[in-house]
Amino acid sequence: GQQLNQSPQSMFIQEGEDVSMNCTSSSIFNTWLWYKQEPGEGPVLLIALYKAGELTSNGRLTAQFGITRKDSFLNISASIPSDVGIYFCAGQPPPGGGADGLTFGKGTHLIIQP
Amino acid sequence: KAGVTQTPRYLIKTRGQQVTLSCSPISGHRSVSWYQQTPGQGLQFLFEYFSETQRNKGNFPGRFSGRQFSNSRSEMNVSTLELGDSALYLCASSLSAGATDTQYFGPGTRLTVL
Repeated sequence: GQQLNQSPQSMFIQEGEDVSMNCTSSSIFNTWLWYKQEPGEGPVLLIALYKAGELTSNGRLTAQFGITRKDSFLNISASIPSDVGIYFCAGQPPPGGGADGLTFGKGTHLIIQP
Repeated sequence: KAGVTQTPRYLIKTRGQQVTLSCSPISGHRSVSWYQQTPGQGLQFLFEYFSETQRNKGNFPGRFSGRQFSNSRSEMNVSTLELGDSALYLCASSLSAGATDTQYFGPGTRLTVL
């Protein structure tokens, strides 16, 4: 099945720093999604990307859908303590793409040191 | 608008038993997908239901099954539980099935198999 490589696996940063994480795939996706999950909760949608090259912002978060449709990145500017959590990328393959449902990366665990 | 709700939130079962989990989608959403989340495998797609019909199925054994009712509520069942079935089971709803509709997740049901 399709695999998503998400990196880094974890990040230890200082409050106020910018954060960057990315996902790459061996095959193309029609949609890229970025979720955040906190302990005991389900993933919460942060940003959805529907078109190759699309750059979308949501407050301090910015994400881009790669031109090749095989990658995406998420940036968080000026991190704050409530940004702590696990960030997942997810991709939706094109119809007939051979994979079912969303394919998720393994997650980036963001830890912020005060 | 209320989000996706899942019941129960926590469940403890023993090997060999069976379990049924419930998911109520966001009002107006007709598609429900189920995912299993474990520390080792991450988030993995189980199946998707739309209009009471299973549209897609992930790579899980037949012990995992589901159904959807006419009001779009969904249940998933796991029979003959194994220790490895311990996981967070997440339900996600979207307006319709397919690649263009964003999925919104519920808080999950934490299943522990002893």
